[in-house]
Amino acid sequence: NAGVTQTPKFQVLKTGQSMTLQCAQDMNHEYMSWYRQDPGMGLRLIHYSVGAGITDQGEVPNGYNVSRSTTEDFPLRLLSAAPSQTSVYFCASSTNDGYTFGSGTRLTVV
Amino acid sequence: DQQVKQNSPSLSVQEGRISILNCDYTNSMFDYFLWYKKYPAEGPTFLISISSIKDKNEDGRFTVFLNKSAKHLSLHIVPSQPGDSAVYFCAATGVSDDKIIFGKGTRLHILP
Repeated sequence: NAGVTQTPKFQVLKTGQSMTLQCAQDMNHEYMSWYRQDPGMGLRLIHYSVGAGITDQGEVPNGYNVSRSTTEDFPLRLLSAAPSQTSVYFCASSTNDGYTFGSGTRLTVV
Repeated sequence: DQQVKQNSPSLSVQEGRISILNCDYTNSMFDYFLWYKKYPAEGPTFLISISSIKDKNEDGRFTVFLNKSAKHLSLHIVPSQPGDSAVYFCAATGVSDDKIIFGKGTRLHILP
């Protein structure tokens, strides 16, 4: 089925560990983005990409890296996890017809 | 299969008139609904919400209506202002799941 696939759905990390949240879409969308969702704060934009090879910072980029080597994939890397990065993460892709969100990844950093 | 549907990708409304954004959902377990507003290069920000025990919630110029039997909700903005031009997301969640399911968004253009 066409859409945005996020993996894993759940993850527990220890402080200082690194990991990559995967995001893939098969709709040939140019624009992809990562958000974190925290209680009372809506969704905050972490990083976004307007096409393969192009990425840019959003509102809260610190502690996260992204790359966009292909149109389909937009992984989000946590370099050294901190408890403040405990959140639910959403990946989205979009065109002029609207946004498609992934199902989210619940990350807990202990 | 989309559980939250916003069937209008875009909507243009004259300044001062009423903007009505519609949303349909399929999952009867949803019991809390939210509207978010998004400007370019920013994340969506929370606008207004409604619990399934209500059929209307009002906050200033923004009113959300919920019709549970039709699985339909709408956001009314009266009067529409230029700063209302943005993408609006409808979202839903259920008691047993704290994740939020988003619609694809409706881009609202307020015309001068």
